[in-house]
Amino acid sequence: QAVVTQEPSLTVSPGGTVTLTCGSSTGAVTSGHYPAWFQQKPGQAPRTLIYDTSNKHSWTPVRFSGSLLGGEAALTLSGAQPEDEAEYFCLLSYDGAQVFGGGTKLTVL
Amino acid sequence: QVQLVQSGAEVKKPGSSVKVSCKASGGTFSNSAISWVRQAPGQGLEWMGGIIPVFGTANYAQKFQARVTITADESTNTAYMELFSLTSEGTAVYYCARDDGSGSYHRLDYWGQGTPVTVSS
Repeated sequence: QAVVTQEPSLTVSPGGTVTLTCGSSTGAVTSGHYPAWFQQKPGQAPRTLIYDTSNKHSWTPVRFSGSLLGGEAALTLSGAQPEDEAEYFCLLSYDGAQVFGGGTKLTVL
Repeated sequence: QVQLVQSGAEVKKPGSSVKVSCKASGGTFSNSAISWVRQAPGQGLEWMGGIIPVFGTANYAQKFQARVTITADESTNTAYMELFSLTSEGTAVYYCARDDGSGSYHRLDYWGQGTPVTVSS
């Protein structure tokens, strides 16, 4: 099974910009992996932010955006807010099997 | 508006099995891809497998192939996940999640509230 890698932790200042990345052990991440991003706060179920690389749901704050960057999927947060402090997971699809990354704990400080 | 409501917390003995339900309301159930995701205490998310009810055949992650059965009942808009031969490793929160009705496993748009399962002797 493929391994999906994320930064274990990142810190961003309030109002600042940060990019989280999501890599694959099988090579470059492409749109065919249908990258998705989820936010999870302690004690809560995950919430989907981004699907199919860069598409947002109606509930996704405008400050979040998804892209492909240097062979990886990326989630960029522009103008971080205190409420964005959470764990973020990416998900990649491999021929019908879905694999999550280990998660990035984002601190807004 | 799509909602997924899961069954309540379970405490099980090692070697037993557990069956968790996920009742959907809103949207199209039969053509949706419904997935099950596990999260052990303090750990990340793990995709276990899923089912598209109209097709009836489940799709499993290799790790769970032999120990999980995922089913769906179109008459009640309910999906089920049964995990057999429980060990302490089975202690986790189990989530169901579904797509937008397009039958896409990579779309986990809507999530249930989670069902905690504790395996303890």
